[in-house]
Amino acid sequence: GENVEQHPSTLSVQEGDSAVIKCTYSDSASNYFPWYKQELGKGPQLIIDIRSNVGEKKDQRIAVTLNKTAKHFSLHITETQPEDSAVYFCARGEYGNKLVFGAGTILRVKS
Amino acid sequence: DTEVTQTPKHLVMGMTNKKSLKCEQHMGHRAMYWYKQKAKKPPELMFVYSYEKLSINESVPSRFSPECPNSSLLNLHLHALQPEDSALYLCASSLSFDREHEQYFGPGTRLTVT
Repeated sequence: GENVEQHPSTLSVQEGDSAVIKCTYSDSASNYFPWYKQELGKGPQLIIDIRSNVGEKKDQRIAVTLNKTAKHFSLHITETQPEDSAVYFCARGEYGNKLVFGAGTILRVKS
Repeated sequence: DTEVTQTPKHLVMGMTNKKSLKCEQHMGHRAMYWYKQKAKKPPELMFVYSYEKLSINESVPSRFSPECPNSSLLNLHLHALQPEDSALYLCASSLSFDREHEQYFGPGTRLTVT
C-alpha cells in the first residue's frame, strides 16, 4: 500500500513541554488511524486511534487530530514526562485490517 | 484484558536448526498476525490468519511456516534461517480482519540467527 510519511524522525523536549508528531498519507480510502508507543525491548502498545468520522480524540494527556481533506493526522502529548520517552509509530488502516506504518519518531523527554 | 503473550522471549539458533515461536491470546479475537521488526524500523507484516485460515502471506520465504492450531494460538515454525532473519518477531491480534479493529501486539521474540 501507499506509504505514510511521519515527521520528525527524532524529537527532544523538556519535561512539561508539549510534543507533536505529524503523519501524512495519500490513500483517500483510509478511515482508521492508530498510534503506537514502543518502549525499548517491548512490543508496540496501542495508545490512541481515530476514525475518519471524527476530527479529534483525547485521552488524558494524549490527543489525536485528523484532517481528512489535507490527508494528515497528528499526535499531541501535553505535559510530557520522562516515561513518555519511546518510539512512536503512526499507521493507517488499509483494506480489511492491514496496517501501513510510518517510519517512527524517537521522542526523548529531558528532565 | 488486552494481553497477547509470546514465547520464548529470546531465541538463538543456528542456520541448520528448527525452532518454533508461539503466540497466545484469550480475548476472543479471530484475526492473528505475525510481524517482523528490524532495529529502528516499523513492524513489517508477514502473515495474517482470519478464523484460523491463512488470509495473507506477504511473500515470506518458505523457511518461515505459520500455523494456527486454534483460535487462541498462533505458531511460527523456523527452519534453515539466515543471519539476516535476525529480528524481533511480533504477534498481534484483533477482533476480526474484515473491519478496522484495534490490533494488540505481544512483547515479541528476539531472534538471533548465528
